Amino acid sequence: QKEVEQNSGPLSVPEGAIASLNCTYSDRGSQSFFWYRQYSGKSPELIMFIYSNGDKEDGRFTAQLNKASQYVSLLIRDSQPSDSATYLCAVNNNNDMRFGAGTRLTVKP
Amino acid sequence: GAGVSQSPRYKVAKRGQDVALRCDPISGHVSLFWYQQALGQGPEFLTYFQNEAQLDKSGLPSDRFFAERPEGSVSTLKIQRTQQEDSAVYLCASSLGSFNQPQHFGDGTRLSIL
Repeated sequence: QKEVEQNSGPLSVPEGAIASLNCTYSDRGSQSFFWYRQYSGKSPELIMFIYSNGDKEDGRFTAQLNKASQYVSLLIRDSQPSDSATYLCAVNNNNDMRFGAGTRLTVKP
Repeated sequence: GAGVSQSPRYKVAKRGQDVALRCDPISGHVSLFWYQQALGQGPEFLTYFQNEAQLDKSGLPSDRFFAERPEGSVSTLKIQRTQQEDSAVYLCASSLGSFNQPQHFGDGTRLSIL
């Protein structure tokens, strides 16, 4: 079992819809959780981080964390074609950062 | 402000050659990380520095890999006697330093071993 699991996709949603990306992790000691967006051939770009259980909203993005279930998700509202990318979930325990393999999202106009 | 800078962006080397990859972190960032990313995979941790101290090198795949950060700023990842399986993108990231802070990535070096 991988330490950080993501559905590889591709996940396809129409423009304007909500995209829901999910991630589970195995290390119960994990303390901080990150979502990175990575365009093809580019480096990961930080879009959200969350430390506490519950929801954290930033513009069109909402991160949700449930430590009891070892589950973190990212919602993208009003999806745009420019959101098409691979989304990486990362889980951190004292600077030991583990990444999932990423979910490829396609937003169709 | 300037982000994490990596050079070269692309490197092609013949099997058996040594290579050196450079990372210049965001100014003031205490922590520096190196990752290896294979195609279609997430980044895999290689090593971590806090200032000039290498606190974790558990991810380095073999003793052919060596990293240093002698003055606590610029870091170099060196790969000796390169093998084809070393071909990957090498990413550098930096963070402010306290544990669990967000890491910010450079554009990476794409290494191809022929």
